[in-house]
Amino acid sequence: EAGVVQSPRYKIIEKKQPVAFWCNPISGHNTLYWYRQNLGQGPELLIRYENEEAVDDSQLPKDRFSAERLKGVDSTLKIQPAELGDSAVYLCASSGDRGGSYEQYFGPGTRLTVT
Amino acid sequence: GQSLEQPSEVTAVEGAIVQINCTYQTSGFYGLSWYQQHDGGAPTFLSYNGLDGLEETGRFSSFLSRSDSYGYLLLQELQMKDSASYFCAVDPYGGATNKLIFGTGTLLAVQP
Repeated sequence: EAGVVQSPRYKIIEKKQPVAFWCNPISGHNTLYWYRQNLGQGPELLIRYENEEAVDDSQLPKDRFSAERLKGVDSTLKIQPAELGDSAVYLCASSGDRGGSYEQYFGPGTRLTVT
Repeated sequence: GQSLEQPSEVTAVEGAIVQINCTYQTSGFYGLSWYQQHDGGAPTFLSYNGLDGLEETGRFSSFLSRSDSYGYLLLQELQMKDSASYFCAVDPYGGATNKLIFGTGTLLAVQP
């Protein structure tokens, strides 16, 4: 089966510019996660979707970050405007009913550099 | 707050055995997971412990002691391809929350 797909893999933007990341989860996985991973750190959850509903966005900086998951499949994470501190790898993951939360399938991530 | 502590780096030689420890302080506990991440790659699931004891999956084993808030990942017959970062992750809420808190990771360097 195809894994989690993310694009773009790399993005370099100037501060104050907008940026968007796209994720296509594993087919049939209802739960989708967006994480941010800073260099030398573990992934930190930004937002979690159950189907099309955002059920946990407590860690999402809502003043500049937004996300959507239309039709409960693909998802987009947006930053506007970007700040220098947003430089990180943005990971998308999905999970299904069989594995539960502890077995999440991650995409390769988008490495964002804000200059 | 939630905290998971792991050694930042571990070095071992090919063919050896290495243990990566994880201690946690979380508001709740419903299980400990381990993930492997190669440089520039995606984290991949390795193992899960919901109950105390040892879980074995090929060359990898994982142990949990809930009373000690402690677990470890044991890698046997190390290979060069095992050089990667290893993260422990705790599910603090259980049920339908589907939330994991990740540790800061241990960078394993396997030398020839």
